Amino acid sequence: GAGVSQSPSNKVTEKGKDVELRCDPISGHTALYWYRQSLGQGLEFLIYFQGNSAPDKSGLPSDRFSAERTGGSVSTLTIQRTQQEDSAVYLCASSLTPWTGKSRTDTQYFGPGTRLTVL
Amino acid sequence: AQSVTQPDIHITVSEGASLELRCNYSYGATPYLFWYVQSPGQGLQLLLKYFSGDTLVQGIKGFEAEFKRSQSSFNLRKPSVHWSDAAEYFCAVGRSGGFKTIFGAGTRLFVKA
Repeated sequence: GAGVSQSPSNKVTEKGKDVELRCDPISGHTALYWYRQSLGQGLEFLIYFQGNSAPDKSGLPSDRFSAERTGGSVSTLTIQRTQQEDSAVYLCASSLTPWTGKSRTDTQYFGPGTRLTVL
Repeated sequence: AQSVTQPDIHITVSEGASLELRCNYSYGATPYLFWYVQSPGQGLQLLLKYFSGDTLVQGIKGFEAEFKRSQSSFNLRKPSVHWSDAAEYFCAVGRSGGFKTIFGAGTRLFVKA
């Protein structure tokens, strides 16, 4: 597609339920990133996928959080046994090439996010 | 520890006035620095980035930022603000060799007519 898409745009769930958030990156982009944006805070890095390499999971806040990327394209972020503190906007981004920080082609393109509310 | 501070939670400027958004960072080595903008209902967009060379960086939408190592700052500027610039702006610091970008809490810009 033309940009990064995420679904659903909004998700309301009850405490203790599991949720799955989906990200469709830009076609051909090899790198995919998940972030969390809590109210009044900046973006918090969660996980980074690059091609077939093992993902960088160093940002995942607990073992209730997991993510996978199937076929090097679509990614799903799963939160098990949701807690109220998990309420946030979850952002996905993709880049054409692996992250270096100093390349034109590793610019991250962000999706619109999924707003998760845990009651 | 690595950190990014955006001292101003929100700023209000008049349309046509100049703008400066502050960003201070704490980093052990030469950082890579970024400014992103998040408009209402839209995703984050990269405005500009610095990783080496000229310390004055030009970005999209008429924005520029200056890296000042002595002050550990990377302030974003625009000479004349347009109403469409109203958004939230995030400063970030990172490095190569692994994805460890840290974002500031953001500054919300309001533009008044």
